[in-house]
Amino acid sequence: GAGVSQSPRYKVAKRGQDVALRCDPISGHVSLFWYQQALGQGPEFLTYFQNEAQLDKSGLPSDRFFAERPEGSVSTLKIQRTQQEDSAVYLCASSLNSGPGSNEQFFGPGTRLTVL
Amino acid sequence: AQSVTQPDIHITVSEGASLELRCNYSYGATPYLFWYVQSPGQGLQLLLKYFSGDTLVQGIKGFEAEFKRSQSSFNLRKPSVHWSDAAEYFCAVGPMEYGNKLVFGAGTILRVKS
Repeated sequence: GAGVSQSPRYKVAKRGQDVALRCDPISGHVSLFWYQQALGQGPEFLTYFQNEAQLDKSGLPSDRFFAERPEGSVSTLKIQRTQQEDSAVYLCASSLNSGPGSNEQFFGPGTRLTVL
Repeated sequence: AQSVTQPDIHITVSEGASLELRCNYSYGATPYLFWYVQSPGQGLQLLLKYFSGDTLVQGIKGFEAEFKRSQSSFNLRKPSVHWSDAAEYFCAVGPMEYGNKLVFGAGTILRVKS
């Protein structure tokens, strides 16, 4: 089957614009994660869903960031009033179930966001 | 706080030479440990993981890693590097408990010279 897909792959936004980034996880995967990867850095956790429930949003950097997964499959990360510091690659990952630690996270190719 | 340190930003090795990428972690409990590889424009691919048991774990593409609790290290090794191994490598740590978000190191870029 297909892996995790993300769209768009590249997004250029003017400062102040709103953007929406989409993630299609592997079918049947319960857990979904968003990470932010700044240039030259490792990915940093943003938020976590188990099915449609957002169980951890401790990594969201500000209230301009909002994520949802209304039907427990596709997820959207929305950034309002984008700022230059939001420029990064946004990675989505999914894993099969919500058990502790042992489940491999499968990553999508990421969306590279550039805010001008 | 949890943290992962990869001391080497760049490493260059000759094709056929051996490789060791260093990873040190700070974690309050026994962690789960991972190595991922990222090629340009690609997502992260899991190379190997350690949860428990044998401290030497084997992964894909001929990679292995050794967990050393006393040194809080999880170094990645490969006996003979291929040109296709050129990529960025990330070490990550995750909790055993619920909600297994990962904490990543800053990565090591591997260059392979022929």
